[in-house]
Amino acid sequence: EDKVVQSPLSLVVHEGDTVTLNCSYEVTNFRSLLWYKQEKKAPTFLFMLTSSGIEKKSGRLSSILDKKELSSILNITATQTGDSAIYLCGGLGSGATNKLIFGTGTLLAVQP
Amino acid sequence: SAVISQKPSRDICQRGTSLTIQCQVDSQVTMMFWYRQQPGQSLTLIATANQGSEATYESGFVIDKFPISRPNLTFSTLTVSNMSPEDSSIYLCSAQGHPLYNEQFFGPGTRLTVL
Repeated sequence: EDKVVQSPLSLVVHEGDTVTLNCSYEVTNFRSLLWYKQEKKAPTFLFMLTSSGIEKKSGRLSSILDKKELSSILNITATQTGDSAIYLCGGLGSGATNKLIFGTGTLLAVQP
Repeated sequence: SAVISQKPSRDICQRGTSLTIQCQVDSQVTMMFWYRQQPGQSLTLIATANQGSEATYESGFVIDKFPISRPNLTFSTLTVSNMSPEDSSIYLCSAQGHPLYNEQFFGPGTRLTVL
């Protein structure tokens, strides 16, 4: 059965810290891994990773995929209170349905 | 990316009633999905809404409980039928624009509370 596991489940840091969130996956015919940020209700798309070893970057956020290890990390540098959210990763397999299998998420709290 | 709206944004319903949630996308998309997120949990896929045919349901979800419509490429509805307090969740629709581009974008969600 396909599954995605995220760690840690929750994390509390102070503003300015750097954090690394982890995601491991077992997805049949894996195609891509997607990261989302969820603050209230709707997850906001962050990154889609398809190729191993190529870092994607957006401001203070970056992410990379390791297909050999079946994992991905999301880095946030110089954290701000506005980064407080649940970070979700989802694994996407090949096939007609294009459905995402989500992990349980990492709850990040950034304290002033 | 697609802009997705949902309504209602929230509702409080009585046990045994049904609620229909609407999802509107501002452009034609290939695929639309419905997810449920129960309190403290991650997102669970309910079904894929297929345009012009019956939805494809995931294990544990059935059409009688969660009937879905998708009359065209920009609109879908999810009905939560014969509700019980266990149906209290956030319901989210998502859309994917093109089979070659795998990003899925989410609507703002509907927060449902069943008393």
